[in-house]
Amino acid sequence: QKEVEQNSGPLSVPEGAIASLNCTYSDRGSQSFFWYRQYSGKSPELIMSIYSNGDKEDGRFTAQLNKASQYVSLLIRDSQPSDSATYLCAVKKAAGNKLTFGGGTRVLVKP
Amino acid sequence: DTEVTQTPKHLVMGMTNKKSLKCEQHMGHRAMYWYKQKAKKPPELMFVYSYEKLSINESVPSRFSPECPNSSLLNLHLHALQPEDSALYLCASSHRPPGNQETQYFGPGTRLLVL
Repeated sequence: QKEVEQNSGPLSVPEGAIASLNCTYSDRGSQSFFWYRQYSGKSPELIMSIYSNGDKEDGRFTAQLNKASQYVSLLIRDSQPSDSATYLCAVKKAAGNKLTFGGGTRVLVKP
Repeated sequence: DTEVTQTPKHLVMGMTNKKSLKCEQHMGHRAMYWYKQKAKKPPELMFVYSYEKLSINESVPSRFSPECPNSSLLNLHLHALQPEDSALYLCASSHRPPGNQETQYFGPGTRLLVL
């Protein structure tokens, strides 16, 4: 079992719809959770971080964390073609600086 | 300001060459990282420097040699690389904002091609 798992996709979403991305992790000691967006040929860009159970909203993005079930999700509302990218879920344990990445989910938003 | 800069943007080198990648941040972040990313794969951690000291080496081959001359600068020295080392090399730095957890920010990367 991988430490952080994501569906590789592609997740095809019509423009204006909600894209729902999921990520599961195996280490119950994980403390911090991050979503990065990576356009093809570019570097990862931080879009959301979440540390507590529940929802966290930032613009069109909502991150959801459920530590009991060991999953974190990202919702993208009103999806735009510019949201087409690979979304990386990253998890950090309480101690240390190391991030463990999932394999990424490729999202395609079709006009 | 969350800017991490990397030079060069692109690098082509032969297997006998010696080259260096440079990373800089002026945000006062105390931890800096080197990652390697192959196509369609997530970033793979190579090294972590914390307070200018090497804290993590993920069993990286010795042909990659990191250096942290000061708190703002991180270098990766390359020597006798193999074609399979061709990848996007990402630098990141991190800090812990008040009330939050340690957060990493990536530079734009150096795309390396080894011939």
